[in-house]
Amino acid sequence: SSELTQDPAVSVALGQTVRITCQGDSLRSIYASWYQQKPGQAPVLVIYGKNNRPSGIPDRFSGSRSGTTASLTITGTQAEDEADYYCNSRDSSGNHLWVFGGGTKLTVL
Amino acid sequence: QVQLQQWGAGLLKPSETLSLTCTVSGGSFIAYYWNWIRQPPGKGLEWIGEISHSGSTTYNPSLKNRVTISVDTSKNQFSLKLSSVTAADTALYYCARGDFGGFPPPYYYYMDVWGQGTTVTVSS
Repeated sequence: SSELTQDPAVSVALGQTVRITCQGDSLRSIYASWYQQKPGQAPVLVIYGKNNRPSGIPDRFSGSRSGTTASLTITGTQAEDEADYYCNSRDSSGNHLWVFGGGTKLTVL
Repeated sequence: QVQLQQWGAGLLKPSETLSLTCTVSGGSFIAYYWNWIRQPPGKGLEWIGEISHSGSTTYNPSLKNRVTISVDTSKNQFSLKLSSVTAADTALYYCARGDFGGFPPPYYYYMDVWGQGTTVTVSS
């Protein structure tokens, strides 16, 4: 299957830890990447590979995987982390298709 | 600092062909996948297709019959054409650089540089 499933919305209190998940069969063999998108802006890569952060991404962002579920964890969530988050991966069937999850709207309370 | 600068027509009539171009500056054009992604108003991201520097393409099956992605390595540019557009093709269109790693497996793939986005509206 080439689908990635995310919860539509998640909320977290300021300063707390939140986990955003992404489920898909392809994630059993391929790591997900994660993107943050704020209103009116292009997506920004925040996590790729096992748990890699591009330059400039705070270390409160981390990634993990268990079975067919990938997770993005934000530790000590800040107000500026309120955004839409998308997971992304390749299809594992060998067709080389990219697929995005439906996105999770993170609200910081 | 690699940058992607995209441009193209923003207002189309139904049945016309969408045409967008993305120029890569500040970095290598080879050894990457060059992608087009779109985002309808208020909705999520949809991958359209990709092209390598050598011209090898892969398309989203849902758009495959209408999509053509091409590359001009002499100009470090790649382009998107989407034919027979309808209102359903109204979206914000992005170009993005794709990369990969993970040797030995498990592999990972990601899009680390994005263009600024181009709003395309299809309306009669």
